[in-house]
Amino acid sequence: KAGVTQTPRYLIKTRGQQVTLSCSPISGHRSVSWYQQTPGQGLQFLFEYFSETQRNKGNFPGRFSGRQFSNSRSEMNVSTLELGDSALYLCASSFAGGNTEAFFGQGTRLTVV
Amino acid sequence: LAKTTQPISMDSYEGQEVNITCSHNNIATNDYITWYQQFPSQGPRFIIQGYKTKVTNEVASLFIPADRKSSTLSLPRVSLSDTAVYYCLAYNAGNMLTFGGGTRLMVKP
Repeated sequence: KAGVTQTPRYLIKTRGQQVTLSCSPISGHRSVSWYQQTPGQGLQFLFEYFSETQRNKGNFPGRFSGRQFSNSRSEMNVSTLELGDSALYLCASSFAGGNTEAFFGQGTRLTVV
Repeated sequence: LAKTTQPISMDSYEGQEVNITCSHNNIATNDYITWYQQFPSQGPRFIIQGYKTKVTNEVASLFIPADRKSSTLSLPRVSLSDTAVYYCLAYNAGNMLTFGGGTRLMVKP
């Protein structure tokens, strides 16, 4: 079956702009989580959506937001980009979240200049 | 959320067995112990999960003692392609995956 698809794979944006990243989970999976990975901070949890509702949220500013659609596809938005937002953004899908196996996408590499 | 502690890095040679130990002293009763593997510029990949005693699959074994305060991931006969970062997590339903720093495994020829 198809894996988790994240688009775009690479993105370059300018400070102050906003960006939207997309994640298509594995068919049948209802939980989608987003992570930010940087060399200095490692993998940090942003938020999780389950059946279109945000179920968990990490410690990120309000500039980071997300949503999930009825087909479980999810988008993540970052407004007023800062240089420090440059990172690999990873999406993970699972059937129900929690202790069920999570499948990660290849990620979107965002560079803010 | 249970905090996990694991070595920052380990070196091994091809063909050897590698054991990576993870400490999770404040693990909750309903937490599962899960290991993920990550290669550069890729998302983490699930390796194995267990609750207690021993779990084995086609790629690894997971040993969890009775007190569940630690666990050991065992990779039999590693190859160069096993060079990656390995993450130990302890979490339960309703919680999110919280990744620590992981263990950077370097397999040498």
